[in-house]
Amino acid sequence: QQQVKQSPQSLIVQKGGISIINCAYENTAFDYFPWYQQFPGKGPALLIAIRPDVSEKKEGRFTISFNKSAKQFSLHIMDSQPGDSATYFCAASRANAGKSTFGDGTTLTVKP
Amino acid sequence: NAGVTQTPKFRVLKTGQSMTLLCAQDMNHEYMYWYRQDPGMGLRLIHYSVGEGTTAKGEVPDGYNVSRLKKQNFLLGLESAAPSQTSVYFCASSYDGRLNTEAFFGQGTRLTVV
Repeated sequence: QQQVKQSPQSLIVQKGGISIINCAYENTAFDYFPWYQQFPGKGPALLIAIRPDVSEKKEGRFTISFNKSAKQFSLHIMDSQPGDSATYFCAASRANAGKSTFGDGTTLTVKP
Repeated sequence: NAGVTQTPKFRVLKTGQSMTLLCAQDMNHEYMYWYRQDPGMGLRLIHYSVGEGTTAKGEVPDGYNVSRLKKQNFLLGLESAAPSQTSVYFCASSYDGRLNTEAFFGQGTRLTVV
Protein backbone atom coordinates (compact mmCIF):
# COMPACT_ATOMS: atom_id res chain seq x y z
CA GLN A 1 0.00 0.00 0.00
CA GLN A 2 1.57 3.21 -1.17
CA GLN A 3 1.03 5.80 1.52
CA VAL A 4 2.16 8.82 -0.50
CA LYS A 5 1.18 9.12 -4.16
CA GLN A 6 2.95 11.75 -6.26
CA SER A 7 2.04 13.10 -9.68
CA PRO A 8 2.98 13.71 -12.40
CA GLN A 9 5.96 11.43 -12.94
CA SER A 10 7.51 13.98 -15.29
CA LEU A 11 6.82 17.60 -16.10
CA ILE A 12 8.07 19.96 -18.79
CA VAL A 13 7.59 23.68 -18.27
CA GLN A 14 8.76 26.73 -20.19
CA LYS A 15 11.04 29.22 -18.50
CA GLY A 16 8.97 31.68 -16.50
CA GLY A 17 6.05 29.29 -16.16
CA ILE A 18 4.53 27.72 -13.06
CA SER A 19 5.43 24.16 -12.12
CA ILE A 20 2.93 22.24 -10.01
CA ILE A 21 3.56 18.87 -8.41
CA ASN A 22 0.90 17.11 -6.38
CA CYS A 23 0.97 14.56 -3.58
CA ALA A 24 -1.78 12.69 -1.78
CA TYR A 25 -1.46 10.77 1.44
CA GLU A 26 -3.59 8.26 3.30
CA ASN A 27 -2.40 8.22 6.89
CA THR A 28 -4.12 11.01 8.83
CA ALA A 29 -1.46 10.67 11.54
CA PHE A 30 1.16 12.24 9.26
CA ASP A 31 2.13 15.65 10.60
CA TYR A 32 5.20 16.73 8.67
CA PHE A 33 5.33 17.14 4.90
CA PRO A 34 8.71 18.03 3.37
CA TRP A 35 9.70 18.43 -0.25
CA TYR A 36 13.18 17.39 -1.36
CA GLN A 37 15.05 18.47 -4.50
CA GLN A 38 17.58 16.20 -6.17
CA PHE A 39 20.00 17.14 -8.94
CA PRO A 40 21.58 14.42 -11.11
CA GLY A 41 24.37 12.62 -9.33
CA LYS A 42 23.54 14.22 -5.99
CA GLY A 43 21.61 13.24 -2.92
CA PRO A 44 18.19 14.81 -2.17
CA ALA A 45 18.20 18.05 -0.19
CA LEU A 46 15.38 19.64 1.77
CA LEU A 47 13.66 22.36 -0.23
CA ILE A 48 10.68 23.36 1.93
CA ALA A 49 8.44 21.72 4.50
CA ILE A 50 5.02 22.29 6.07
CA ARG A 51 3.09 21.11 9.09
CA PRO A 52 -0.71 20.64 8.96
CA ASP A 53 -1.52 23.60 11.18
CA VAL A 54 -1.06 25.95 8.21
CA SER A 55 -2.52 25.79 4.70
CA GLU A 56 0.34 27.43 2.85
CA LYS A 57 4.04 28.12 3.21
CA LYS A 58 6.11 30.23 0.88
CA GLU A 59 9.86 30.50 0.53
CA GLY A 60 10.96 32.64 -2.38
CA ARG A 61 9.58 31.14 -5.59
CA PHE A 62 8.56 27.90 -3.86
CA THR A 63 5.17 27.44 -2.19
CA ILE A 64 3.56 24.47 -0.49
CA SER A 65 -0.24 24.37 -0.48
CA PHE A 66 -1.78 21.99 2.03
CA ASN A 67 -5.36 20.68 2.09
CA LYS A 68 -5.87 18.66 5.25
CA SER A 69 -9.46 17.60 4.51
CA ALA A 70 -8.52 16.29 1.07
CA LYS A 71 -5.24 14.80 2.37
CA GLN A 72 -3.33 16.49 -0.41
CA PHE A 73 -0.41 18.86 -0.67
CA SER A 74 1.33 20.40 -3.61
CA LEU A 75 4.51 22.24 -4.56
CA HIS A 76 4.27 25.32 -6.74
CA ILE A 77 7.36 26.76 -8.39
CA MET A 78 6.71 30.25 -9.66
CA ASP A 79 8.76 31.78 -12.49
CA SER A 80 10.39 28.41 -13.16
CA GLN A 81 14.04 28.57 -14.26
CA PRO A 82 16.26 26.07 -16.11
CA GLY A 83 18.24 25.74 -12.87
CA ASP A 84 15.12 24.31 -11.24
CA SER A 85 15.37 21.25 -13.50
CA ALA A 86 15.69 18.38 -11.03
CA THR A 87 13.76 15.53 -9.45
CA TYR A 88 11.37 16.52 -6.69
CA PHE A 89 10.18 14.20 -3.95
CA CYS A 90 7.36 14.80 -1.53
CA ALA A 91 7.41 12.97 1.78
CA ALA A 92 5.30 12.52 4.88
CA SER A 93 6.04 11.44 8.41
CA ARG A 94 4.46 11.37 11.84
CA ALA A 95 5.87 12.28 15.20
CA ASN A 96 7.77 9.48 16.94
CA ALA A 97 7.83 7.33 13.80
CA GLY A 98 11.45 8.24 13.15
CA LYS A 99 11.14 7.81 9.42
CA SER A 100 9.51 9.34 6.36
CA THR A 101 7.56 7.86 3.48
CA PHE A 102 8.53 9.27 0.09
CA GLY A 103 6.57 9.72 -3.11
CA ASP A 104 7.96 8.24 -6.31
CA GLY A 105 9.40 11.54 -7.51
CA THR A 106 8.72 14.01 -10.34
CA THR A 107 11.34 14.87 -12.91
CA LEU A 108 10.99 18.55 -13.80
CA THR A 109 12.52 19.96 -16.96
CA VAL A 110 12.39 23.72 -17.47
CA LYS A 111 13.05 24.66 -21.08
CA PRO A 112 14.81 27.98 -21.78
CA ASN B 1 31.96 19.92 8.40
CA ALA B 2 31.47 17.29 5.68
CA GLY B 3 27.84 16.37 6.49
CA VAL B 4 27.04 12.83 5.35
CA THR B 5 29.79 10.93 3.54
CA GLN B 6 29.29 7.62 1.74
CA THR B 7 31.99 5.25 0.54
CA PRO B 8 32.45 3.94 -2.04
CA LYS B 9 30.77 6.09 -4.68
CA PHE B 10 30.70 3.35 -7.33
CA ARG B 11 31.04 -0.41 -7.16
CA VAL B 12 30.51 -3.36 -9.48
CA LEU B 13 29.91 -6.74 -7.86
CA LYS B 14 29.49 -10.20 -9.22
CA THR B 15 26.40 -12.16 -8.18
CA GLY B 16 27.04 -13.83 -4.85
CA GLN B 17 29.79 -11.48 -3.69
CA SER B 18 29.48 -9.54 -0.47
CA MET B 19 30.28 -5.93 0.35
CA THR B 20 29.80 -3.24 2.94
CA LEU B 21 28.76 0.34 2.29
CA LEU B 22 29.94 2.88 4.84
CA CYS B 23 28.07 6.00 5.90
CA ALA B 24 29.64 8.57 8.20
CA GLN B 25 28.07 11.77 9.56
CA ASP B 26 29.76 14.52 11.55
CA MET B 27 26.62 16.36 12.74
CA ASN B 28 26.06 14.32 15.92
CA HIS B 29 22.71 13.14 14.57
CA GLU B 30 20.82 10.42 16.41
CA TYR B 31 18.90 8.97 13.46
CA MET B 32 20.46 7.37 10.40
CA TYR B 33 18.87 5.74 7.37
CA TRP B 34 19.70 3.66 4.32
CA TYR B 35 17.54 4.08 1.20
CA ARG B 36 17.69 2.63 -2.26
CA GLN B 37 16.59 4.62 -5.29
CA ASP B 38 15.34 2.91 -8.42
CA PRO B 39 13.85 4.59 -11.50
CA GLY B 40 10.18 5.43 -11.00
CA MET B 41 10.15 4.01 -7.47
CA GLY B 42 11.32 6.91 -5.41
CA LEU B 43 13.29 6.35 -2.23
CA ARG B 44 12.60 3.12 -0.38
CA LEU B 45 13.80 2.67 3.18
CA ILE B 46 15.97 -0.40 3.74
CA HIS B 47 16.97 -0.09 7.41
CA TYR B 48 17.28 2.70 9.90
CA SER B 49 18.71 3.42 13.32
CA VAL B 50 17.35 5.59 16.11
CA GLY B 51 20.64 5.72 17.99
CA GLU B 52 23.98 4.04 18.60
CA GLY B 53 23.61 0.29 18.94
CA THR B 54 20.06 0.19 17.50
CA THR B 55 18.73 -0.89 14.11
CA ALA B 56 15.27 -1.41 12.64
CA LYS B 57 13.82 -2.75 9.40
CA GLY B 58 12.36 -0.47 6.77
CA GLU B 59 10.22 -1.26 3.73
CA VAL B 60 12.69 -3.44 1.81
CA PRO B 61 15.14 -5.05 4.30
CA ASP B 62 15.55 -8.49 2.72
CA GLY B 63 19.09 -9.26 1.55
CA TYR B 64 20.65 -6.45 3.63
CA ASN B 65 22.08 -6.15 7.11
CA VAL B 66 23.16 -3.07 9.04
CA SER B 67 25.16 -2.12 12.09
CA ARG B 68 25.50 1.07 14.14
CA LEU B 69 28.41 0.41 16.50
CA LYS B 70 29.35 4.09 16.64
CA LYS B 71 26.95 7.02 16.60
CA GLN B 72 28.60 8.60 13.59
CA ASN B 73 28.71 5.47 11.41
CA PHE B 74 26.01 3.32 9.82
CA LEU B 75 27.10 0.32 7.76
CA LEU B 76 25.01 -1.46 5.14
CA GLY B 77 26.01 -4.99 4.21
CA LEU B 78 25.07 -7.19 1.30
CA GLU B 79 25.78 -10.80 2.20
CA SER B 80 25.25 -12.34 -1.23
CA ALA B 81 24.64 -9.75 -3.92
CA ALA B 82 21.90 -10.31 -6.50
CA PRO B 83 21.20 -8.42 -9.75
CA SER B 84 17.96 -7.12 -8.14
CA GLN B 85 20.16 -5.15 -5.74
CA THR B 86 21.53 -3.05 -8.57
CA SER B 87 20.54 0.43 -7.45
CA VAL B 88 21.70 3.76 -6.12
CA TYR B 89 21.99 3.68 -2.35
CA PHE B 90 21.63 6.77 -0.20
CA CYS B 91 22.46 7.22 3.42
CA ALA B 92 20.76 9.97 5.41
CA SER B 93 20.81 11.30 8.95
CA SER B 94 18.58 13.53 11.02
CA TYR B 95 18.92 15.22 14.38
CA ASP B 96 15.84 13.64 15.91
CA GLY B 97 13.41 11.64 13.78
CA ARG B 98 10.75 11.87 16.46
CA LEU B 99 10.58 15.61 15.90
CA ASN B 100 10.38 15.24 12.13
CA THR B 101 13.50 17.24 11.46
CA GLU B 102 15.29 17.63 8.16
CA ALA B 103 17.10 14.61 6.76
CA PHE B 104 20.57 15.19 5.29
CA PHE B 105 21.57 12.86 2.49
CA GLY B 106 24.92 11.64 1.26
CA GLN B 107 25.98 11.73 -2.40
CA GLY B 108 24.96 8.16 -3.06
CA THR B 109 26.63 4.88 -4.00
CA ARG B 110 25.91 3.46 -7.44
CA LEU B 111 26.03 -0.33 -7.17
CA THR B 112 25.85 -2.67 -10.14
CA VAL B 113 25.53 -6.42 -9.63
CA VAL B 114 26.37 -8.49 -12.70
